[in-house]
Formats: sequence, structure tokens, C-alpha cells
Amino acid sequence: ETGVTQTPRHLVMGMTNKKSLKCEQHLGHNAMYWYKQSAKKPLELMFVYSLEERVENNSVPSRFSPECPNSSHLFLHLHTLQPEDSALYLCASSQDEGGGTDTQYFGPGTRLTVL
Amino acid sequence: AQSVTQLDSQVPVFEEAPVELRCNYSSSVSVYLFWYVQYPNQGLQLLLKYLSGSTLVKGINGFEAEFNKSQTSFHLRKPSVHISDTAEYFCAVSDPGGSYIPTFGRGTSLIVHP
Repeated sequence: ETGVTQTPRHLVMGMTNKKSLKCEQHLGHNAMYWYKQSAKKPLELMFVYSLEERVENNSVPSRFSPECPNSSHLFLHLHTLQPEDSALYLCASSQDEGGGTDTQYFGPGTRLTVL
Repeated sequence: AQSVTQLDSQVPVFEEAPVELRCNYSSSVSVYLFWYVQYPNQGLQLLLKYLSGSTLVKGINGFEAEFNKSQTSFHLRKPSVHISDTAEYFCAVSDPGGSYIPTFGRGTSLIVHP
């Protein structure tokens, strides 16, 4: 596998379910990101991890819980979601060389539908 | 904090015609600028970026962008588009003096008709 992979690619869940999204990067990067992409809305940054430590959390509801066990893996645990949480969830990674010059490398996303 | 405006939500164009996708950012002393493309059912990938130096930046797939500091713009251009260029295009900016995390625009949907 190369680049950034995400599983599953599609997920349908009820509001009472608990599920997890997985992201894996094979690029040796230090930083990983979760974004939410909804139709007709800007890309929303949810969480950022650098060297496995959370460095940014943009006021995301607690029903979304991230986990970064090492620099190659990132999870997003989901529980008691709402229908408005239906969206494409994108994972990205970057080298985190600092100063804002990083290129972000994105996975293909998980299309989440909450019934 | 920086902000990015992509004025056109959708740009329809015929195959082999030129195209320009507009991007403006809020003023700052210095910025880094990016264009990403998202093909259907895929994640975003970098087209090109401006960090410093020449204001005309060439990217992949025949795209180029010009950094214009006085107009705070970074418009993306291609002289002749193909059907395969149909995609969503995102402009992003990062502020060297602030957060290293980029701010993305809302995206412009480029639709190339045969």
C-alpha cells in the first residue's frame, strides 16, 4: 500500500451505533489530520495530531473521539451520531516541517451516512 | 487568521477552451498558497504551491497559477482543458507567522463539456 489509506470507504450507521474510521499513512509523516467535507460547505478541520500528540481540536462535538496510537495510524471513533454528521470524512498527513509549507496528502475518504 | 475566497462555485467550460479559477485571500505580510484538486470519489491532491520566488507557479496536468501580492490573488489557469479535468478545485493558504495548518476555500467545481 502506498500513500494514505482509509477504511471503510462507505459506512451506514444508526444514531445509536458505535463505529470507528481508520486511517493509515505509508509516507513516514509526522502529522495527521481529520477533516469533514459536507456538500456546499468548506472543508472543516476536526483534529490534528503531530508526533502522536493532539495539537488542535476545532470545537468538535464529543461524539467524535480521535485516537492516534502511533505516527502511522489515526482513528476516529463515532458514537450516537446525528443525521447532520453524514459527510465525507477525509484523513490527511504531512511531514510537519513547520512554517506552513507542508503539502497535505489525503486519503480517499470514508462516506458516512447516519440514519 | 487567514481566509480564502473562491468566488465561483461552479465553472462550466467546453473541452479545449482555456479556464481560470479565481482565488483571493485576506491580506498578510507573507503567505504560502496552494491549489488542490479532488476528482470524483477521491481525496484531495496537490496541483501546485507557491512558497517564494517566481510568482508564476507551474503544477501538474498543465495547470499554472500566478501569485499577485497587490491584488491578494492566486488564480489557477489552464490554456486548454480536457474532459478529465472535471473535478473540484480548492485553494488554500497558510500563514508563516501563525498556524502551520492551511485554511481551505469552499472549492470550485470545474465542469468540462465535450
